Amino acid sequence: QQPVQSPQAVILREGEDAVINCSSSKALYSVHWYRQKHGEAPVFLMILLKGGEQKGHEKISASFNEKKQQSSLYLTASQLSYSGTYFCGTAPGGGNTPLVFGKGTRLSVIA
Amino acid sequence: KAGVTQTPRYLIKTRGQQVTLSCSPISGHRSVSWYQQTPGQGLQFLFEYFSETQRNKGNFPGRFSGRQFSNSRSEMNVSTLELGDSALYLCASSLDSGRAYNEQFFGPGTRLTVL
Repeated sequence: QQPVQSPQAVILREGEDAVINCSSSKALYSVHWYRQKHGEAPVFLMILLKGGEQKGHEKISASFNEKKQQSSLYLTASQLSYSGTYFCGTAPGGGNTPLVFGKGTRLSVIA
Repeated sequence: KAGVTQTPRYLIKTRGQQVTLSCSPISGHRSVSWYQQTPGQGLQFLFEYFSETQRNKGNFPGRFSGRQFSNSRSEMNVSTLELGDSALYLCASSLDSGRAYNEQFFGPGTRLTVL
């Protein structure tokens, strides 16, 4: 039931792009993305809802393929501040369904 | 608005002891969720409280319990601690209109070490 994230880790140079994927074996109602910097709390990035609605940071781009039960987070022109572990959380149902988080993707951006 | 606060930030206990962790949500948030985070496992959902009632529970043994007070503050208790309980315990608060729609705001966590 835990979504699978790929890649597990990636190293980028400043200015490069990256894509982080999140795949579930269950039909999804929504996908949430969070970033956690080392030693800090996870911070909300984006929610993607079934039907196409999205809410989140303007500079973050993501997609949600309902049929494939997959979501992708796009990080373009990466900056050092993008470093951290990215988690996707999936909700198979609406309402109060608990989120199930993936194991995370560790992103390191180097100068 | 003040963020989510958790106390204590660090805790060292020995096997067999019990521990209580506290979480104060953002003002106005009525939902509080607890997660266990261990290296390589991501965030494992423990339980969620809303208006003093447990609304959802994850797949953890009964040694893990919690409660929520009328001011939305929440506590989590772990009894008979085991070495495997060593982890970062995060709480997150959100508005009351369904978690699937609303972002969660995480606290800094309590780092529990069981010796």
